[in-house]
Amino acid sequence: QKEVEQDPGPLSVPEGAIVSLNCTYSNSAFQYFMWYRQYSRKGPELLMYTYSSGNKEDGRFTAQVDKSSKYISLFIRDSQPSDSATYLCAMSSGGYNKLIFGAGTRLAVHP
Amino acid sequence: SQTIHQWPATLVQPVGSPLSLECTVEGTSNPNLYWYRQAAGRGLQLLFYSVGIGQISSEVPQNLSASRPQDRQFILSSKKLLLSDSGFYLCAWSGQGAWQPQHFGDGTRLSIL
Repeated sequence: QKEVEQDPGPLSVPEGAIVSLNCTYSNSAFQYFMWYRQYSRKGPELLMYTYSSGNKEDGRFTAQVDKSSKYISLFIRDSQPSDSATYLCAMSSGGYNKLIFGAGTRLAVHP
Repeated sequence: SQTIHQWPATLVQPVGSPLSLECTVEGTSNPNLYWYRQAAGRGLQLLFYSVGIGQISSEVPQNLSASRPQDRQFILSSKKLLLSDSGFYLCAWSGQGAWQPQHFGDGTRLSIL
């Protein structure tokens, strides 16, 4: 079993839709949770990070962590074509800040 | 503000040739530095990390090595490339001390022929 599982997609939605991206994990030592956005042929760009259960909001993005269920989500409201990218979840237990990544979900937002 | 540079952006090398990829960080001191490889359609795999000059930790056995000759410089090397070394190589940095997120460069796409 992989430490981090992420739905690979691809996910195709119309502009303006609410998008839900999800990851599950098995290691209860993970304390820090991140979402990265990666455009084609570019490096991952940090979108949000959190270290507690609950919701964290930043503009159109909301990160949700449920440590009891070992489940994290990223919600994108009012999705735009510019949101079309691969979204990677990542987690860390803190030691030397080593990250474990999900395989990524490819999202396409069409006008 | 901090920036991270990787070069070259694209590289095509024959099997058996040597490799040197360079990463430099600006605008911060004593960062943690990381090398990752990303295979097509897959997540990132941590290859090496460094918490200081000359301090390198390897995460997976492989045909590659890393060095950190200066505080903000991280180099990925190989003496003889294999076909399986093809991939997208990403460098990242984070601050030291209390946990801080990692920030990535734009990567080097390496193709082995």
